[in-house]
Order: sequence, then structure tokens, then C-alpha cells
Amino acid sequence: DVKVTQSSRYLVKRTGEKVFLECVQDMDHENMFWYRQDPGLGLRLIYFSYDVKMKEKGDIPEGYSVSREKKERFSLILESASTNQTSMYLCASSSVKDRVIYSNQPQHFGDGTRLSIL
Amino acid sequence: EDQVTQSPEALRLQEGESSSLNCSYTVSGLRGLFWYRQDPGKGPEFLFTLYSAGEEKEKERLKATLTKKESFLHITAPKPEDSATYLCAVRKAAGNKLTFGGGTRVLVKP
Repeated sequence: DVKVTQSSRYLVKRTGEKVFLECVQDMDHENMFWYRQDPGLGLRLIYFSYDVKMKEKGDIPEGYSVSREKKERFSLILESASTNQTSMYLCASSSVKDRVIYSNQPQHFGDGTRLSIL
Repeated sequence: EDQVTQSPEALRLQEGESSSLNCSYTVSGLRGLFWYRQDPGKGPEFLFTLYSAGEEKEKERLKATLTKKESFLHITAPKPEDSATYLCAVRKAAGNKLTFGGGTRVLVKP
């Protein structure tokens, strides 16, 4: 079974802090994703990465950055946390079939980090 | 703009009372429609991928179907353990991005 592990289940930080959210997957997946999930807004894609050191912006990248130095690890960084970044953050990974980057393999999710910015 | 709308927002069922959830979408060049189940405090768990109109997939009491404009998730004789939020998402021809619907919260009472 695919396992996507997010380092913290709950996190409380203060406005202006630099916040790091970590995600590790154990299935050698090429693609990794960061989403946030808010009531009434559903899941929205922040960033994704299709290879080490590669990244692409999703729908709502403002205020966030990402880092992928190793294939199994994808980090989300809040450069200067603000209260409107209080949310549930979900990491996901997917494999590439037949060396096609945009293949139709399902994304597998971690259990999320509930982040509160005070 | 791509849109995915799920209805109803919430559904209360008695155990054994079959029902259907709807996912309607407007997207050009659909490459896949995905169904996920999400339990409280957990991440979404993958259920099905549907690729083309007319396709059907089944898993236990769940059956997903796809037309050119919508997908249905049928829950047959549900049990309390089927209580969860069910999410659908679509992927376009180009790109890796999934667009998610808002989900349907299902509560099955014994």
C-alpha cells in the first residue's frame, strides 16, 4: 500500500513566522502535490512537483513556496505565515505510467496537517 | 473555467436505503474522473477512476458511472461504515491538475 506521511497532524504558529510542512512518500512516486482544504472551498492545489528540483504552480501559490531535494520528500513553506493560511494541508503523490508525466494514475493522500496561524 | 459540482451537499440514509450521489462537470477534454472517500480527520482515499462515457466501476456496495456531463456514485444497501464525505475530481487532457468538487457528506444511520 502507498504510504504518504505528513510530519505533523496539528501545528500552531504565529503570524509572520516561517513555517515548514513536510511530506514523505514511500512508493518511489515521481509526482507530489500540496493542497489546502477549506470548508465550502474544497481542495485547492497549491504546488506540485513532477521530479526532483522541479515544481509547478497550482491554483493558489501566493504566499507559499516548495522544495523537493529528494524524490521521496516534498516540503511546503509558508514564507511569512498569515491568519488566512489557517487550513488543513494535504500532501499527495502519484506514479508516472509509461514515462508519461501527465499520466492518469490516481493521487494518494496523507492524513493532513491542520495548521492554525494565530 | 473548469467546474465540478457535487450534489447533494449532505445525505442522511437509513441502513439499507440505497441512493446516488451526483458529480456534474464542465471541462474541456476530460482525461479522467476520480472518486475519493474521506473520513473525518483523514486524507482522501482513492476509490475509482473513470475514463470515458459509459464506463462503470464497482467496489463492494459502491458503483460509479460516467456520462459526458456527469458521474454518479451509487451506494447500494449502505451500512454505517459507508458514512464519509465522497469527493469527485476531474483531470483535463493537458496537465496534472485535478479539480475537485465540494463533496457530499453521507451519514448512514443503523
